[in-house]
Amino acid sequence: EVQLVQSGAEVKKPGESLKISCKGSGYSFSSYWIAWVRQMPGKGLEWMGIIYPSDSDTRYSPSFQGQVTISADKSITTAYLQWSSLKASDTAIYYCARRVSDGGSGLRFDPWGQGTLVTVSS
Amino acid sequence: DIQMTQSPSSLSASVGDRVTITCRASQTISSYLNWYQQKPGKAPVLLIYAASVLQNGVPSRFSGSGSGTDFTLTISSLQLEDFATYYCQQSYSTPRTFGQGTTVEIK
Repeated sequence: EVQLVQSGAEVKKPGESLKISCKGSGYSFSSYWIAWVRQMPGKGLEWMGIIYPSDSDTRYSPSFQGQVTISADKSITTAYLQWSSLKASDTAIYYCARRVSDGGSGLRFDPWGQGTLVTVSS
Repeated sequence: DIQMTQSPSSLSASVGDRVTITCRASQTISSYLNWYQQKPGKAPVLLIYAASVLQNGVPSRFSGSGSGTDFTLTISSLQLEDFATYYCQQSYSTPRTFGQGTTVEIK
């Protein structure tokens, strides 16, 4: 079974750093892009960026460029999302999702991790 | 970035109703359109990709159509388990933007 399992909920103070993880299993981790998606409280989904674990090629949404860092360690089939200095506005649920593509318009994201709730409060 | 606009933002319907949700892209995206379902407290789940291809395991009452800029998700006969929020997503270009969501509520 293809699975993405994310790290647990975090409570942090503004200015602190944080790295959350997404561990893939049941498939060839290096061969599929992994995306990160933000969902702020009561709001919709925002695509943040994506990484190809095989060579760590990374693309960011302009809205998130410079605000977060996406990385991956293919040896332990894990992708990461990190912040160097959190803000209260980073409070959200963060999802990872595997990109699947069979050519043409069949590019989609499946499955998704269970989500990691990040709370930033003083 | 390509902007995705869903309508309506929410709707109330009864079990057995036919429900239609629309999604419009700010530029042509061919058939690069996905639909996801999200239930409260859960991660999104892929329903349809390439505008009209049903993901394995998704009930046949769900269907998708459209190409270019205008797309539709249809639930032919709404079931209790279908009350959720639905998102469209363009997979044409990076960033792969989402619509704002449509919440289907019980009437």
